[in-house]
Amino acid sequence: NAGVTQTPKFQVLKTGQSMTLQCAQDMNHEYMSWYRQDPGMGLRLIHYSVGAGITDQGEVPNGYNVSRSTTEDFPLRLLSAAPSQTSVYFCASSYSKVGGYTFGSGTRLTVV
Amino acid sequence: SQQGEEDPQALSIQEGENATMNCSYKTSINNLQWYRQNSGRGLVHLILIRSNEREKHSGRLRVTLDTSKKSSSLLITASRAADTASYFCATARYNQGGKLIFGQGTELSVKP
Repeated sequence: NAGVTQTPKFQVLKTGQSMTLQCAQDMNHEYMSWYRQDPGMGLRLIHYSVGAGITDQGEVPNGYNVSRSTTEDFPLRLLSAAPSQTSVYFCASSYSKVGGYTFGSGTRLTVV
Repeated sequence: SQQGEEDPQALSIQEGENATMNCSYKTSINNLQWYRQNSGRGLVHLILIRSNEREKHSGRLRVTLDTSKKSSSLLITASRAADTASYFCATARYNQGGKLIFGQGTELSVKP
């Protein structure tokens, strides 16, 4: 099993550009989440999903959109990139509402 | 705001010593989870303790939970250089299914 796959691993964007961070899991997990990790801030929840067609906001949702059309995929869209969105982004999935999560290896995004 | 706060922020010990990390949280929870993150990598789920449990073991890991004090501790016994990593606690609540909230982490350095 591949687990949770994130692409790309690295990305540089110019301010104002848009892009989609991809996340796919092959474990048939219902629960998926996106986090950003910044130095000294730990991981902060951006958006999460409890199943196909259902998403909700986390702690820091502004500037990001998500959709969940299939169980496997949970893409994160940056609508108009800003330098404040420079961060490492992690996607994670779980079999259970409150179970342990499996994390992807991350996408390092720099906005210039 | 983040649910968990961890203490200490950084810990440096010698191989063979025990390492203790603490986590405090603010609201009632259904379970608390501990994760490890090696430098530049994704997070790995270590152990989950439910709110009705007081102690749990997994190999060299021992986790305690005190719901009256809203705190948890992670003990790593007989530390090895390979245990060098950041350790995060995260809390989950059934009525916020899919919303796993992380603390800021403890950076552990184990010197050979």
